[in-house]
Amino acid sequence: EDQVTQSPEALRLQEGESSSLNCSYTVSGLRGLFWYRQDPGKGPEFLFTLYSAGEEKEKERLKATLTKKESFLHITAPKPEDSATYLCAVQAYDSNSGYALNFGKGTSLLVTP
Amino acid sequence: EAGVAQSPRYKIIEKRQSVAFWCNPISGHATLYWYQQILGQGPKLLIQFQNNGVVDDSQLPKDRFSAERLKGVDSTLKIQPAKLEDSAVYLCASRRTPEYTEAFFGQGTRLTVV
Repeated sequence: EDQVTQSPEALRLQEGESSSLNCSYTVSGLRGLFWYRQDPGKGPEFLFTLYSAGEEKEKERLKATLTKKESFLHITAPKPEDSATYLCAVQAYDSNSGYALNFGKGTSLLVTP
Repeated sequence: EAGVAQSPRYKIIEKRQSVAFWCNPISGHATLYWYQQILGQGPKLLIQFQNNGVVDDSQLPKDRFSAERLKGVDSTLKIQPAKLEDSAVYLCASRRTPEYTEAFFGQGTRLTVV
């Protein structure tokens, strides 16, 4: 059962061309939605955590938003150095699995000059 | 603050051989995860520790995979015997508490089984 679905799988943007990445989730009792960035050959790097619908967070050209069913990562005027895979993870509490952090498959972003 | 340390960075083994990966989490982090990331996919949770106890190992293939966390600090993940489909990056992550904190990841160990 997929808890986290990310779209699109891949996205190619021109430098300066704004867009959004989507993360939809089906867990009940969400205890946090996390966005990570992963560069080739490296481990995921934390970007944001969102806990409740309506919450927004920003960092440089990135802005993350959360609704009851999905999260968006908005990239404004991207630069080539924003090229990476963006991963979404959800956390819910379960008496059997505790606070598991489950990831989607990611969106591979390429920003060309 | 030192990050999550993993070793080795790369490992190539033949199928049916055994292999072990080591993880040293950030000091003071009680929660530790091992993930398997196959090329082009997101990380898949294998096992979660809270201090030195296992919280969730439901996705760990226990016929060949084992993991332990020594004294609630370092952790090792072992595969015995390895199969071709075990080729992946094995990521270790730690966080201070199981909730309301972010998880920090190591660089991972890239395993190739030939």
